[in-house]
Amino acid sequence: RKEVEQDPGPFNVPEGATVAFNCTYSNSASQSFFWYRQDCRKEPKLLMSVYSSGNEDGRFTAQLNRASQYISLLIRDSKLSDSATYLCVVLNYGGSQGNLIFGKGTKLSVKP
Amino acid sequence: NAGVTQTPKFQVLKTGQSMTLQCAQDMNHEYMSWYRQDPGMGLRLIHYSVGAGITDQGEVPNGYNVSRSTTEDFPLRLLSAAPSQTSVYFCASTNSRGAMNTEAFFGQGTRLTVV
Repeated sequence: RKEVEQDPGPFNVPEGATVAFNCTYSNSASQSFFWYRQDCRKEPKLLMSVYSSGNEDGRFTAQLNRASQYISLLIRDSKLSDSATYLCVVLNYGGSQGNLIFGKGTKLSVKP
Repeated sequence: NAGVTQTPKFQVLKTGQSMTLQCAQDMNHEYMSWYRQDPGMGLRLIHYSVGAGITDQGEVPNGYNVSRSTTEDFPLRLLSAAPSQTSVYFCASTNSRGAMNTEAFFGQGTRLTVV
């Protein structure tokens, strides 16, 4: 079983739609969770951290369910510019630094 | 404000050739890493370093060497290129602000083709 699993998509949605991505992780000791965004042929960039209590950043809401070991990302009022691949990332903290484990990504395409 | 500088952006190698991918960061981060990204496979960790003089293997280290003589530089060396090493390579530098504030900053990537 992969350590971080995501639905690869693609999710094809119209502008203005609400779309949700889920991600599951296998290591119950994982400590921190993130969503990264990767545009086509570009490097990944941090979108947001995921806090236990849930957190919101504008149109983006991230949730963490430790009991079920899944993470979600909700995008409201989708924009064309939201088209990208969204990577679920888990930090397994050990030693002096941690290793970031990346999911394969979920591709989102927002259409006019 | 350079961040992570990775070179070259593109490279074509013949099977058996060796080369070094360069990575430098100016953020004084201790932790640096190399990933490869293949279609349908996501980002996979090749090697990482927790500080100058310290390196360790990741998930897919075979065929690659790294060194970390300074905090700033973390080159990745392909010893004898094989077609299976055709991929996009990303260098990352990670801050050390603590688990929840951990953020990886990536270079722009190297698209490597081995023929």
